[in-house]
Parts: sequence; structure tokens; C-alpha cells
Amino acid sequence: DTGVSQDPRHKITKRGQNVTFRCDPISEHNRLYWYRQTLGQGPEFLTYFQNEAQLEKSRLLSDRFSAERPKGSFSTLEIQRTEQGDSAMYLCASSLETLGNYGYTFGSGTRLTVV
Amino acid sequence: AQSVTQLGSHVSVSEGALVLLRCNYSSSVPPYLFWYVQYPNQGLQLLLKYTSAATLVKGINGFEAEFKKSETSFHLTKPSAHMSDAAEYFCAVSDSSGANNLFFGTGTRLTVIP
Repeated sequence: DTGVSQDPRHKITKRGQNVTFRCDPISEHNRLYWYRQTLGQGPEFLTYFQNEAQLEKSRLLSDRFSAERPKGSFSTLEIQRTEQGDSAMYLCASSLETLGNYGYTFGSGTRLTVV
Repeated sequence: AQSVTQLGSHVSVSEGALVLLRCNYSSSVPPYLFWYVQYPNQGLQLLLKYTSAATLVKGINGFEAEFKKSETSFHLTKPSAHMSDAAEYFCAVSDSSGANNLFFGTGTRLTVIP
């Protein structure tokens, strides 16, 4: 297992289209996180799963965003009716247990450009 | 609520010089503190973390940070900069109560001058 994988690495889409990103965490990690990073900013928390349960969602996660983690393995993040403001790097991270014990392992991210 | 402030969005040092990247935190509960590094078009890599054990934390690539509660600081240092240290560095905080989301600073871009 080589780490957290994200697909695609880059996505260009027209405004109004739907997009879906995939994250494959480290296999033994039960926690999975999604963050968004806009240009010149630090990552901002979007949502978090423990196994298949989505336990926390940020106010940044509008109703156009939905995340799933079926069977507690990979996760998908879907953005419906994309807007130019959705252009950002979407980062996935996973951890085995509590943040304080292990910290996160981040993937390389999916860069979304909405034109 | 937790937050971090990184002083200096850009820092330039000469190769071989001391690296000092500043981070001040705000937290209503005992914090966990982290430093991450990000290379262009890459995800974030954990450099080091403070989780209420030793206040001087050693990380990878020769970096270390000291937790100073009285100053609410967690500055990142490296005695001698290397060209490969050029990257974006992010300080982050979480509380120790079991919350799982990190609050990141806006980052400091480190340039190393040959």
C-alpha cells in the first residue's frame, strides 16, 4: 500500500456540470477526510467519515456537495451544478485512529478548474 | 474554537542559513499542533506534531518545533537550509478532545537562495 490515492489528478469542467472525485485511503485506515484548498490558502475541512459513517460536515459543504464512503473503503465526493467558486484543490486524507496519535496521511489531491 | 496564524506569507533564506517559520495558535482547550509541507501540485506531508508530550518536537528532514504555551507559539526551525526545503509550509491545530478536523494557517512559502 503506497498511500492515499486520488483520482483524477486534474479535472476541467464547464460551469453547471457535475463532477465526481474518488479517494482510496490507506487500506487499514478507518477514518477518511475531505478538505478543499483554494489558491493561496490553507486547506479547509469539508467532511469526515469513520468507516462508512459520515460523522461531521462543515458549513462549507453546501447542498450541491455530497460525499459517500460505501463499505468503509474508498470515498467519492460529488459536486453538482459546479460554479466557478468551486475551483480548488480537493484533498483527501486518512488516519487509523485519533488525530492526536497518528495525524493524517494526505493524498496528492484533485485540482478542479471550472470554466 | 481553534485557529492558527502564520506570520510571513513568504520567507527567503540562503542555503545553509537558519530556517524559522512562525506559527501562533488560538485554542480554548489544550491543542494538538502540526506542521505540514506541501510541494507544488502535491498533497501535504506531515513534518512533525505536538500532542502534549515533549514540548520540543523533532520531525523529518531535520526540522523541529517548540511548543510554548506562554507565547501560544509553535515555531518551526531548521539549523541549515537545503535547496530541497523550498516549499509551502502549513501550521495546523486541532483540539485534544477527540475532534478530528484540522484548522490550517494560510501557509508560508519558503524560498532557499543558493
